[in-house]
Amino acid sequence: EIVLTQSPATLSLSPGERATLSCRASQSVSSYLLWYQQKPGQAPRFLIYDASNRAAGIPARFSGSGSGTDFTLTISSLEPEDFAVYYCQQRSNWPYTFGQGTKLEIK
Amino acid sequence: EVQLVESGGGLVQPGGSLRLSCSASGFTFSDNTMHWVRQAPGKGLEYVSAISSGGGTTYYADSVRGRFTVSRDNSKNTLFLQMSSLRTEDTAVYYCLKPYVDWGQGTLVTVSS
Repeated sequence: EIVLTQSPATLSLSPGERATLSCRASQSVSSYLLWYQQKPGQAPRFLIYDASNRAAGIPARFSGSGSGTDFTLTISSLEPEDFAVYYCQQRSNWPYTFGQGTKLEIK
Repeated sequence: EVQLVESGGGLVQPGGSLRLSCSASGFTFSDNTMHWVRQAPGKGLEYVSAISSGGGTTYYADSVRGRFTVSRDNSKNTLFLQMSSLRTEDTAVYYCLKPYVDWGQGTLVTVSS
């Protein structure tokens, strides 16, 4: 099973700042890496597919990068609605797996 | 508009069984692989199972293999998850999804005596 490790566990930033979230895989997942945002009481929202492609309707301030084992989700300038938990997920090998999440909180 | 509506959750005793359903609309259900993901209270996301568009190929997480069975009825646009030998650690919100954009609202399964 491919283990995804996200860092940091919690990120405290202010609106307008840049957020950089990391996801590291225990073995290569090529570019088959997805990112989700989840707010309390809601289903996850799909943000990024195949490492760097924004899903439909996702604002341009969200961007993804990386390949192999190291991936990054960047939010260029935080809006108040961006404070949430973010998960990465690999779809390279079954069982598909998620990282443990990064909580992005308001400083 | 894609809609996925889960049902069938509830309270069940350890060792018991439950069948979840996911009713799909707004897309050609029979053309799509479908997935189940769960989330224990206050915890992260965990993949549970997947099924190919025709139902002939299924996948399971190690934690549920042999206890859960995924199936689908393409004539009724419905996805199922039959859960047996339930354990307290199976307590979670169960989501069905059309990979990867469209998720249901989830149904809560509580395994407790």
